[in-house]
Amino acid sequence: QSALTQPRSVSGSPGQSVTISCTGTTSDIGGYNYVSWYQQHPGKAPKLMIYDVTKRPSGVPDRFSGSKSGSTASLTISGLQAEDEADYYCCSYAGSYTWIFGGGTKLTVL
Amino acid sequence: EVQLLESGGGLVQPGGSLRLSCEASGFTFSSYVMTWVRQAPGKGLEWVSQISGSGVNTYYADSVKGRFTISRDNSKNTLYLQMNSLRAEDTAIYYCAKRITILGALDYWGQGTLVTVSS
Repeated sequence: QSALTQPRSVSGSPGQSVTISCTGTTSDIGGYNYVSWYQQHPGKAPKLMIYDVTKRPSGVPDRFSGSKSGSTASLTISGLQAEDEADYYCCSYAGSYTWIFGGGTKLTVL
Repeated sequence: EVQLLESGGGLVQPGGSLRLSCEASGFTFSSYVMTWVRQAPGKGLEWVSQISGSGVNTYYADSVKGRFTISRDNSKNTLYLQMNSLRAEDTAIYYCAKRITILGALDYWGQGTLVTVSS
């Protein structure tokens, strides 16, 4: 089972918006609404940013939003801030109690 | 405050074994599904294994099936991962994480423990 497809890198200037895509298949993203997104700073553990496609855990700024269309999920970060620079990973339930992550996207804030 | 603290990582030779532990606090441990996720150096995240709250149901990625065993001791609030027949490709940081719901996201993660498989 191959990883979900994410762009290797994206970038944006402070205050701008960026969108990170995550493409899967009908067996994972397209088949379930269990898509989540994680932020990981260097040397740190991942942090949950979005779950169940669109929901934000308490404490996560509303600048972060998630969506899904067919077999592609997206994470949008609006009003970019310097501290948003990190690696971002998507994850989807893939049936039969298995989960699949994306390859990760490095976000650079210019 | 939810805390997850992994331990047990280290250097092991190919073919060797290691047992990881994850001590949990700040929530009712037995009520939640727990998961192991790993990250090879400079690489992405990979789901490894999951166990139900009772410990009855266990699930594994194909890459570790038959070699790794997940278990838990709810009386000690501790999650385990027994890793046998280790290979170089098992070298990674291993994170334990708590799942929100049975199929849902991972809302709390430990700091990770490094496993290095090398001769």
